[in-house]
Amino acid sequence: EPEVTQTPSHQVTQMGQEVILRCVPISNHLYFYWYRQILGQKVEFLVSFYNNEISEKSEIFDDQFSVERPDGSNFTLKIRSTKLEDSAMYFCASSDGGRYNEQFFGPGTRLTVL
Amino acid sequence: GENVEQHPSTLSVQEGDSAVIKCTYSDSASNYFPWYKQELGKRPQLIIDIRSNVGEKKDQRIAVTLNKTAKHFSLHITETQPEDSAVYFCALGPQAGTALIFGKGTTLSVSS
Repeated sequence: EPEVTQTPSHQVTQMGQEVILRCVPISNHLYFYWYRQILGQKVEFLVSFYNNEISEKSEIFDDQFSVERPDGSNFTLKIRSTKLEDSAMYFCASSDGGRYNEQFFGPGTRLTVL
Repeated sequence: GENVEQHPSTLSVQEGDSAVIKCTYSDSASNYFPWYKQELGKRPQLIIDIRSNVGEKKDQRIAVTLNKTAKHFSLHITETQPEDSAVYFCALGPQAGTALIFGKGTTLSVSS
């Protein structure tokens, strides 16, 4: 069964550094998402992406964040200047764009900002 | 914005007992209600979902019920097993391609 994949599984960075988190969505899916989960808390929506543009974003997704689909398979989340509070698990998800919204999650990237 | 309340936050049951988790919401436009199971350090996994035109759906030991009038939906797990121990999240999906709004999660512990 196809799955969403993410790399790296764990990223440690210094405050102020840029990080890029990578995702490969399920191949026939049309909608891509980033969510984050601070340790012990609920999953929070960051951004959704369709047809090569952002379709929706939350208040968390400020100017420090950007997303890109650089080729036909990868979907990336860039954090320009990381802050301590960006430490979290970041999940990529994808859906096929059908009438209902079944979203399938990747295994996550644990980002630790020191 | 849309919010979903999930209760209880923790639930401890004996193996073989039933477990029920309930979520309430406010936006009547929501039409998709998935439940995710998350084991420690793992991804949220979709375990069952229900659409707004259905009142109940069952898959083996797991069932979900939806009351659109009262704006709540519930996850029912029967004959619980230790491997059911995990955090369960309800979510709302207004329409295709939009954000899922998650509840705060319920930590289910099944002791043998």
